[in-house]
Amino acid sequence: KQEVTQIPAALSVPEGENLVLNCSFTDSAIYNLQWFRQDPGKGLTSLLLIQSSQREQTSGRLNASLDKSSGRSTLYIAASQPGDSATYLCAAQGGSEKLVFGKGTKLTVNP
Amino acid sequence: EAQVTQNPRYLITVTGKKLTVTCSQNMNHEYMSWYRQDPGLGLRQIYYSMNVEVTDKGDVPEGYKVSRKEKRNFPLILESPSPNQTSLYFCASHRVAGWGTGELFFGEGSRLTVL
Repeated sequence: KQEVTQIPAALSVPEGENLVLNCSFTDSAIYNLQWFRQDPGKGLTSLLLIQSSQREQTSGRLNASLDKSSGRSTLYIAASQPGDSATYLCAAQGGSEKLVFGKGTKLTVNP
Repeated sequence: EAQVTQNPRYLITVTGKKLTVTCSQNMNHEYMSWYRQDPGLGLRQIYYSMNVEVTDKGDVPEGYKVSRKEKRNFPLILESPSPNQTSLYFCASHRVAGWGTGELFFGEGSRLTVL
Protein backbone atom coordinates (compact mmCIF):
# COMPACT_ATOMS: atom_id res chain seq x y z
CA LYS A 1 0.00 0.00 0.00
CA GLN A 2 1.38 3.37 -1.03
CA GLU A 3 2.29 5.76 1.76
CA VAL A 4 3.29 9.36 1.20
CA THR A 5 5.17 11.33 3.85
CA GLN A 6 5.99 15.01 4.00
CA ILE A 7 8.60 16.33 6.38
CA PRO A 8 8.64 18.78 8.05
CA ALA A 9 5.00 19.29 8.96
CA ALA A 10 5.64 23.01 9.34
CA LEU A 11 8.34 25.39 8.19
CA SER A 12 8.92 29.07 8.89
CA VAL A 13 11.40 31.11 6.85
CA PRO A 14 12.25 34.79 6.32
CA GLU A 15 11.19 36.46 3.08
CA GLY A 16 13.64 36.04 0.22
CA GLU A 17 14.98 32.68 1.32
CA ASN A 18 15.18 29.75 -1.07
CA LEU A 19 13.60 26.62 0.40
CA VAL A 20 12.95 22.95 -0.29
CA LEU A 21 9.91 20.92 0.67
CA ASN A 22 10.26 17.15 0.80
CA CYS A 23 7.93 14.34 -0.21
CA SER A 24 8.70 10.64 0.05
CA PHE A 25 6.69 7.65 -1.16
CA THR A 26 7.05 3.95 -0.42
CA ASP A 27 6.04 2.39 -3.75
CA SER A 28 8.19 3.55 -6.64
CA ALA A 29 5.73 2.18 -9.24
CA ILE A 30 3.97 5.49 -9.71
CA TYR A 31 2.60 7.11 -12.85
CA ASN A 32 3.16 10.64 -11.69
CA LEU A 33 3.54 12.92 -8.71
CA GLN A 34 1.69 16.19 -8.20
CA TRP A 35 2.30 19.14 -5.92
CA PHE A 36 -0.60 21.23 -4.64
CA ARG A 37 -1.06 24.40 -2.66
CA GLN A 38 -3.87 24.85 -0.15
CA ASP A 39 -4.76 28.17 1.43
CA PRO A 40 -6.70 28.13 4.73
CA GLY A 41 -10.33 27.13 4.22
CA LYS A 42 -9.80 26.75 0.48
CA GLY A 43 -9.51 23.97 -2.03
CA LEU A 44 -6.29 22.61 -3.45
CA THR A 45 -4.64 24.21 -6.45
CA SER A 46 -2.37 22.13 -8.65
CA LEU A 47 1.13 23.58 -8.92
CA LEU A 48 3.19 21.03 -10.82
CA LEU A 49 2.68 17.54 -12.22
CA ILE A 50 5.71 15.34 -12.94
CA GLN A 51 5.18 12.26 -15.08
CA SER A 52 7.15 9.19 -14.04
CA SER A 53 9.34 9.49 -17.13
CA GLN A 54 10.34 13.05 -16.19
CA ARG A 55 12.94 14.23 -13.71
CA GLU A 56 11.63 17.71 -13.04
CA GLN A 57 9.11 20.40 -13.87
CA THR A 58 9.35 24.15 -13.50
CA SER A 59 6.80 26.92 -13.19
CA GLY A 60 8.03 30.39 -12.39
CA ARG A 61 9.82 30.30 -9.03
CA LEU A 62 8.81 26.69 -8.44
CA ASN A 63 10.79 23.64 -9.43
CA ALA A 64 9.75 20.09 -8.61
CA SER A 65 12.01 17.08 -9.01
CA LEU A 66 11.26 13.38 -8.97
CA ASP A 67 13.56 10.48 -8.13
CA LYS A 68 11.52 7.30 -8.42
CA SER A 69 14.38 5.00 -7.46
CA SER A 70 14.77 6.66 -4.07
CA GLY A 71 11.05 7.35 -3.64
CA ARG A 72 11.52 11.08 -3.27
CA SER A 73 10.27 14.34 -4.71
CA THR A 74 11.23 17.86 -3.76
CA LEU A 75 9.57 21.21 -4.36
CA TYR A 76 12.03 24.07 -4.56
CA ILE A 77 10.71 27.59 -4.03
CA ALA A 78 13.07 30.39 -5.01
CA ALA A 79 13.09 33.82 -3.40
CA SER A 80 10.15 33.09 -1.12
CA GLN A 81 7.47 35.74 -0.55
CA PRO A 82 4.81 36.17 2.16
CA GLY A 83 2.21 35.26 -0.47
CA ASP A 84 3.78 31.80 -0.68
CA SER A 85 2.51 31.08 2.83
CA ALA A 86 0.18 28.09 2.54
CA THR A 87 0.10 24.35 3.04
CA TYR A 88 1.83 22.37 0.31
CA LEU A 89 0.73 18.81 -0.40
CA CYS A 90 2.18 16.18 -2.66
CA ALA A 91 0.27 13.23 -4.11
CA ALA A 92 1.54 10.10 -5.83
CA GLN A 93 -0.58 8.40 -8.46
CA GLY A 94 -0.44 4.65 -8.81
CA GLY A 95 -2.86 2.25 -10.49
CA SER A 96 -6.58 2.87 -11.04
CA GLU A 97 -6.02 6.63 -11.27
CA LYS A 98 -5.84 6.68 -7.46
CA LEU A 99 -3.84 9.43 -5.81
CA VAL A 100 -2.35 9.07 -2.35
CA PHE A 101 -1.76 12.34 -0.56
CA GLY A 102 0.80 13.35 2.02
CA LYS A 103 -0.42 15.34 5.01
CA GLY A 104 1.28 18.48 3.85
CA THR A 105 3.90 20.99 4.94
CA LYS A 106 2.59 24.27 6.35
CA LEU A 107 4.86 27.04 5.10
CA THR A 108 5.05 30.48 6.68
CA VAL A 109 7.14 33.17 5.00
CA ASN A 110 7.79 36.06 7.35
CA PRO A 111 8.15 39.62 5.98
CA GLU B 1 -13.13 29.29 -16.80
CA ALA B 2 -12.30 25.71 -15.83
CA GLN B 3 -13.83 24.96 -12.49
CA VAL B 4 -15.30 22.46 -10.08
CA THR B 5 -18.31 23.81 -8.21
CA GLN B 6 -19.55 22.42 -4.91
CA ASN B 7 -22.69 23.31 -2.99
CA PRO B 8 -23.35 24.05 -0.24
CA ARG B 9 -20.06 25.51 0.96
CA TYR B 10 -21.15 25.40 4.58
CA LEU B 11 -23.80 23.27 6.21
CA ILE B 12 -24.86 22.52 9.76
CA THR B 13 -27.27 19.65 10.14
CA VAL B 14 -28.49 17.15 12.71
CA THR B 15 -27.91 13.45 13.06
CA GLY B 16 -30.01 11.37 10.70
CA LYS B 17 -31.20 14.14 8.38
CA LYS B 18 -30.37 13.13 4.80
CA LEU B 19 -28.31 15.59 2.83
CA THR B 20 -26.70 15.88 -0.58
CA VAL B 21 -23.59 17.82 -1.52
CA THR B 22 -23.54 18.62 -5.22
CA CYS B 23 -20.48 18.74 -7.43
CA SER B 24 -20.29 19.89 -11.01
CA GLN B 25 -17.34 20.33 -13.40
CA ASN B 26 -17.25 22.13 -16.75
CA MET B 27 -14.13 20.48 -18.22
CA ASN B 28 -15.69 17.31 -19.63
CA HIS B 29 -13.49 15.24 -17.31
CA GLU B 30 -14.10 11.53 -17.11
CA TYR B 31 -12.80 11.05 -13.59
CA MET B 32 -14.41 12.59 -10.53
CA SER B 33 -13.86 11.87 -6.86
CA TRP B 34 -14.80 12.91 -3.36
CA TYR B 35 -12.36 13.42 -0.48
CA ARG B 36 -12.71 14.34 3.13
CA GLN B 37 -10.02 16.26 4.97
CA ASP B 38 -9.60 15.94 8.71
CA PRO B 39 -6.89 17.36 10.99
CA GLY B 40 -4.05 14.89 11.44
CA LEU B 41 -5.51 12.47 8.89
CA GLY B 42 -5.02 14.42 5.69
CA LEU B 43 -7.08 13.87 2.56
CA ARG B 44 -8.85 10.55 2.25
CA GLN B 45 -10.78 9.40 -0.79
CA ILE B 46 -14.44 8.50 -0.22
CA TYR B 47 -15.67 7.46 -3.68
CA TYR B 48 -14.57 7.93 -7.23
CA SER B 49 -16.04 7.59 -10.69
CA MET B 50 -14.18 6.74 -13.89
CA ASN B 51 -17.10 7.74 -16.11
CA VAL B 52 -20.90 7.90 -16.31
CA GLU B 53 -22.56 5.07 -14.38
CA VAL B 54 -19.15 3.82 -13.15
CA THR B 55 -18.44 4.40 -9.48
CA ASP B 56 -16.26 2.67 -6.90
CA LYS B 57 -15.32 2.89 -3.25
CA GLY B 58 -12.31 4.79 -2.05
CA ASP B 59 -10.64 4.41 1.33
CA VAL B 60 -13.49 5.61 3.58
CA PRO B 61 -16.85 4.93 1.83
CA GLU B 62 -18.91 3.93 4.89
CA GLY B 63 -21.95 6.16 5.40
CA TYR B 64 -21.78 7.73 1.94
CA LYS B 65 -23.38 7.16 -1.44
CA VAL B 66 -22.67 8.63 -4.85
CA SER B 67 -24.15 8.56 -8.31
CA ARG B 68 -22.89 9.52 -11.77
CA LYS B 69 -25.85 9.90 -14.10
CA GLU B 70 -24.26 12.72 -16.10
CA LYS B 71 -20.63 13.30 -16.91
CA ARG B 72 -20.48 16.74 -15.31
CA ASN B 73 -22.21 15.93 -11.99
CA PHE B 74 -21.12 13.74 -9.09
CA PRO B 75 -23.26 14.29 -5.97
CA LEU B 76 -22.29 12.96 -2.54
CA ILE B 77 -25.18 11.67 -0.48
CA LEU B 78 -25.23 11.18 3.28
CA GLU B 79 -28.33 9.10 3.93
CA SER B 80 -28.16 9.32 7.72
CA PRO B 81 -25.38 11.68 8.78
CA SER B 82 -23.57 11.11 12.06
CA PRO B 83 -21.24 13.41 14.03
CA ASN B 84 -18.16 11.49 12.83
CA GLN B 85 -18.95 12.73 9.33
CA THR B 86 -18.26 16.30 10.43
CA SER B 87 -15.46 17.25 8.06
CA LEU B 88 -14.28 19.35 5.15
CA TYR B 89 -15.28 17.71 1.87
CA PHE B 90 -13.70 18.22 -1.52
CA CYS B 91 -14.80 17.20 -4.96
CA ALA B 92 -12.13 16.81 -7.63
CA SER B 93 -11.94 15.96 -11.29
CA HIS B 94 -9.37 15.21 -13.95
CA ARG B 95 -9.21 13.83 -17.44
CA VAL B 96 -8.24 10.18 -17.91
CA ALA B 97 -4.99 10.48 -19.81
CA GLY B 98 -4.52 6.84 -20.73
CA TRP B 99 -1.21 6.74 -18.94
CA GLY B 100 -1.41 8.47 -15.65
CA THR B 101 -3.78 11.17 -14.60
CA GLY B 102 -4.01 14.68 -15.87
CA GLU B 103 -3.94 17.71 -13.62
CA LEU B 104 -6.36 17.38 -10.74
CA PHE B 105 -8.88 20.20 -10.22
CA PHE B 106 -10.49 20.69 -6.82
CA GLY B 107 -13.65 22.42 -5.73
CA GLU B 108 -13.54 25.03 -2.99
CA GLY B 109 -14.71 22.59 -0.35
CA SER B 110 -17.86 22.02 1.70
CA ARG B 111 -17.60 22.31 5.45
CA LEU B 112 -20.15 20.02 7.04
CA THR B 113 -21.05 19.94 10.72
CA VAL B 114 -23.32 17.19 12.03
CA LEU B 115 -24.76 17.84 15.49
